[in-house]
Amino acid sequence: EVQLLESGGGLVQPGGSLRLSCAGSGFTFSTYSMSWVRQAPGRGLECVSFIGGNGYNTYYADSVKGRFTISRDNSKNTLFLQMDSLRAEDTALYYCARDMTPPYFDSWGQGTLVTVSS
Amino acid sequence: EIVLTQSPATLSLSPGERVTLSCRASQSVSSYLAWYQQKPGQAPRLLIYDASNRATGIPARFSGSGFGTDFTLTISSLEPEDFAVYYCQQRGKWPRTFGQGTKVEIK
Repeated sequence: EVQLLESGGGLVQPGGSLRLSCAGSGFTFSTYSMSWVRQAPGRGLECVSFIGGNGYNTYYADSVKGRFTISRDNSKNTLFLQMDSLRAEDTALYYCARDMTPPYFDSWGQGTLVTVSS
Repeated sequence: EIVLTQSPATLSLSPGERVTLSCRASQSVSSYLAWYQQKPGQAPRLLIYDASNRATGIPARFSGSGFGTDFTLTISSLEPEDFAVYYCQQRGKWPRTFGQGTKVEIK
């Protein structure tokens, strides 16, 4: 069974940093592209960042470009999102999601909540 | 970026009814569109991909159609577990974008 388990969320002040992690199991992690998708409270879904299976191809939403960095450690089956210069509008539930082929999100974690507030 | 507009925002229906949800793209996405279902407190679940293909384990009462800019998700007969929010999502162009959602609620 495919499982994705996010961690690392919490309360942080504006301008602060957080590092999210997502541990994958039940599948060959290195052969799948992965993404972070966020959902602000009571709002819709936003694709934040994408990384290819080998870690070389990455994409970012304009709203986070230059502030967030996606990475992965295939030896540990773990996906990361380094979030710097956090803003109030980054407050959201952050989901880790697996990209199938074709690239849609076929498995999701339960999310980790990031709250940016003073 | 490609904007996806879903309609209506909310549908109030009874179990057994047929449901048709709409998603319109601001520019063509070919057939590169998916539908997801999200229930309160849960992550989204992939229902349909590439406009008309059911994802693994999705019941046959869910079907999708469309091409270019206009897409439809149909639920042939609503089951109690189908009351949820439905999102469309395109992969035709980065950034991948979602619609704002349609809530299907019990009448």
